[in-house]
Amino acid sequence: QSALTQPPSVSGSPGQSVTISCTGSSSDVGSYNRVSWYQQPPGTAPKLLIYEVSRRPSGVPARFSGSRSGNTASLTISGLQAEDEADYYCASFSTSIDFRVFGGGTKLTVL
Amino acid sequence: EVQLVESGGGLVQPGGSLRLSCAATGFSFSDSWMSWVRQAPGKGLEWVANMNRDGSEVYYMDSVKGRFSISRDNARNSLYLQMSSLRAEDTGVYFCARDGYPFSSDYWGQGTLVTVAS
Repeated sequence: QSALTQPPSVSGSPGQSVTISCTGSSSDVGSYNRVSWYQQPPGTAPKLLIYEVSRRPSGVPARFSGSRSGNTASLTISGLQAEDEADYYCASFSTSIDFRVFGGGTKLTVL
Repeated sequence: EVQLVESGGGLVQPGGSLRLSCAATGFSFSDSWMSWVRQAPGKGLEWVANMNRDGSEVYYMDSVKGRFSISRDNARNSLYLQMSSLRAEDTGVYFCARDGYPFSSDYWGQGTLVTVAS
């Protein structure tokens, strides 16, 4: 069981927006600005989309955005495109058992 | 261009040992925190260990403490993961990653597969 909780799947049509949630606790997501999001298409290595809750590395399109409210972080993808179909993972620094924790992943299907 | 290339994976029996390597090019390796992250077949990502720039700080996930050891050779631009007392649940693809931002990995290798089975 992952330390951070994500919905197993979400879906949306091209052009729409989708939001993926990531629920943790006051030991991780809720207390530290060290939340990141990764995209992993099938059979490939993960790619960093968001770091420090809402910052985007250079080269990541602005339609990917991150936010946080309390112990829940969120990744919003606007203007969905077919190539966005992938697994998405959140991660956070943690003061619990492990130093760094991941969510279980969310499969995004573009209808 | 940043490149991370893992090697050393393979089939090993339970209780056995394996040493993974990660060759880094295209960035200042000695200025970078580095991590190992694994992914069991069909499962999610799991952080394994990381290390600071000069190797003086290391951190491990609880289930590998005492069995795995992360190390680096800045002269060779290489990261290592020595794994011992391997268990079936250690099976998976092991990724080497650069932590370009605090607790965030901005570059990843393609991974090397470790299979623990008899």
